[in-house]
Amino acid sequence: EVQLVESGGGLVQPGGSLRLSCAASGFNFSTYSMSWVRQAPGKGLEWVSVFCVQDGSTHYADSVRGRFTISRDNSRNTLYLQMNTLRDEDTAVYYCTKGGHLDAWGQGTLVTVSS
Amino acid sequence: DIQMTQSPSSLSASVGDRVAITCRASQGIRSDLGWFQQKPGKAPKRLIYAASTLESGVPSRFSGSGSGTDFTLTISDLQPEDFATYYCLQHNSYPYSLGQGTRLEVK
Repeated sequence: EVQLVESGGGLVQPGGSLRLSCAASGFNFSTYSMSWVRQAPGKGLEWVSVFCVQDGSTHYADSVRGRFTISRDNSRNTLYLQMNTLRDEDTAVYYCTKGGHLDAWGQGTLVTVSS
Repeated sequence: DIQMTQSPSSLSASVGDRVAITCRASQGIRSDLGWFQQKPGKAPKRLIYAASTLESGVPSRFSGSGSGTDFTLTISDLQPEDFATYYCLQHNSYPYSLGQGTRLEVK
């Protein structure tokens, strides 16, 4: 059974940094692209970033490009999202998803950016 | 960037009804589209991929159609557990993008 467990969320001040982690199990992690999607309170889903396993490329939404960095450690079956220069509008539940096409989701971790 | 326009934003229906939700892409995306269901307080779940292929375990009352720019999710014979919010996702080109969501409510 595929399991994705996010961690690292919490309260951070504007301008601060946070690193999210996603521990994956139940599938061959190293052979799958992995993505992050977020959802602001009461709002819709927003695609954030992907790490493409085919060529190691990374891609970002315009709203986070230059501030967020996606990475992975295949030896630990873990995906990361380093978030810098956080803004109020980054407040959201962040979901880790399997594959570039989001075929399985974790339960999410809440990031709150507030002074 | 590709914009996904989903409609309606909300929809009221009754158990047993047939409903349709549409997504329009701002440019052609072949069949690179998925549909997702989200219930309150829960993570989304993929229902359909490649525009029309049902995810394993998803009831056959769900169906997807379309290619290019226009796509439809149809739910026939609505069941109580189908009342939720639905999203489309285009994965044709980066940055990927989702529709704004359709909230399906009980009439």
